[in-house]
Amino acid sequence: QVLLVQSGAEVKKPGASVKVSCKASGYTFTDHYMHWVRQAPGQGLEWMGWINPNSGGTNYAQKFQGRVTMTRDTSISTAYMELSRLRSDDTAVYYCARELVVGDDFGYWGQGTLVTVSS
Amino acid sequence: QSALTQPASVSGSPGQSITISCTGTSSDIGSFNLVSWYQQHPGKAPKLMIYEVVKRPSGVSNRFSGSKSGNTASLTISGLQAEDEADYYCCSYAGSITYVVFGGGTKLTVL
Repeated sequence: QVLLVQSGAEVKKPGASVKVSCKASGYTFTDHYMHWVRQAPGQGLEWMGWINPNSGGTNYAQKFQGRVTMTRDTSISTAYMELSRLRSDDTAVYYCARELVVGDDFGYWGQGTLVTVSS
Repeated sequence: QSALTQPASVSGSPGQSITISCTGTSSDIGSFNLVSWYQQHPGKAPKLMIYEVVKRPSGVSNRFSGSKSGNTASLTISGLQAEDEADYYCCSYAGSITYVVFGGGTKLTVL
């Protein structure tokens, strides 16, 4: 079965960077885009961008361009999302998510990684 | 402010049906049949309930159904059950630049 397992919670100071990992199993990693979606406490879902694990190509939401970098390591079927110049309003649960088959939906989700930004 | 507009809350009694609306624009919902709906219980990751407006993933109850008219999509849950109490989010493809937009979420309370 498809499984996405994310790295553990992080606490960072304002201005620092955080890198969250998402290890995929149960399917061919390079066959499906990996997306990142975040959710601030008590708030809704916000799409951050995707990475094509096959080519390494990326597409970032305009809001995060210049601050987010998505990468992957195909040898270990793992995607990464790094967010820099953290602010307090970046405090959120960050999810990796994969399309169900091939499309613009999110059929499989990681368990989420809480990133807390606090001085 | 979210790109798609959903009611903040809806409620219904067990066995009843409810509908959650999701209003967008001609740039998202109105242009693409790529609306999806997600159920999220507290502290859990979202779960895909409907994709491509009307399709249900394997394992999702047929009590959940989706539809679309113009710039508005809807999620209907029939035969409400206590376990349906959760937050629901709509999402639509919005073109290659914006990619996707989400609604602000609707809290469903089963009375």
